[in-house]
Amino acid sequence: AQSVTQPDIHITVSEGASLELRCNYSYGATPYLFWYVQSPGQGLQLLLKYFSGDTLVQGIKGFEAEFKRSQSSFNLRKPSVHWSDAAEYFCAVANQAGTALIFGKGTTLSVSS
Amino acid sequence: GAVVSQHPSRVICKSGTSVKIECRSLDFQATTMFWYRQFPKQSLMLMATSNEGSKATYEQGVEKDKFLINHASLTLSTLTVTSAHPEDSSFYICSASTYTGELFFGEGSRLTVL
Repeated sequence: AQSVTQPDIHITVSEGASLELRCNYSYGATPYLFWYVQSPGQGLQLLLKYFSGDTLVQGIKGFEAEFKRSQSSFNLRKPSVHWSDAAEYFCAVANQAGTALIFGKGTTLSVSS
Repeated sequence: GAVVSQHPSRVICKSGTSVKIECRSLDFQATTMFWYRQFPKQSLMLMATSNEGSKATYEQGVEKDKFLINHASLTLSTLTVTSAHPEDSSFYICSASTYTGELFFGEGSRLTVL
């Protein structure tokens, strides 16, 4: 069965500093991978996704993620964090396009000034 | 981009009553819709998958008689929480899949059962 692990429950980063949120997945074949962001009480916003091709994926709001098959990872990065990036971040996996997503437990990002 | 609308966004009901939450794909036909449940400060848990015109497929541990899902058209799926109790209070989110496999999420519906 598929699973997603986000090892970090809570991360605090200074504004302007770089960010990396970790995500590891468990799936036999090449998975479909996603990163979503959720502000308190809000729905999900898709940051980026990986289906195939270039393993470095660019997303919205200056985020990028890199698919590393050898490490079963899909870590999210941003070179310079803004206070507005404070939110909950979810990594998710699916076995093919259009199917249900399995979510990780999420990482809460706090941004300090 | 495609929009998925959920209604109501917030609902408060008394224990023992039933509540219906609608999920609509506004500008596309959704081949499949998914319902998730999110407890406070936790992740999204898949409850069920529904295809238009057929019975929903529920995940293990989800009571199908408690959470009734109807997918009557290619643009509408409903989740009815029957005889709601305080432990059913949660954030319910739907997502809809297009024919090309793209997935869009609704804004969620917060249910509070008193």
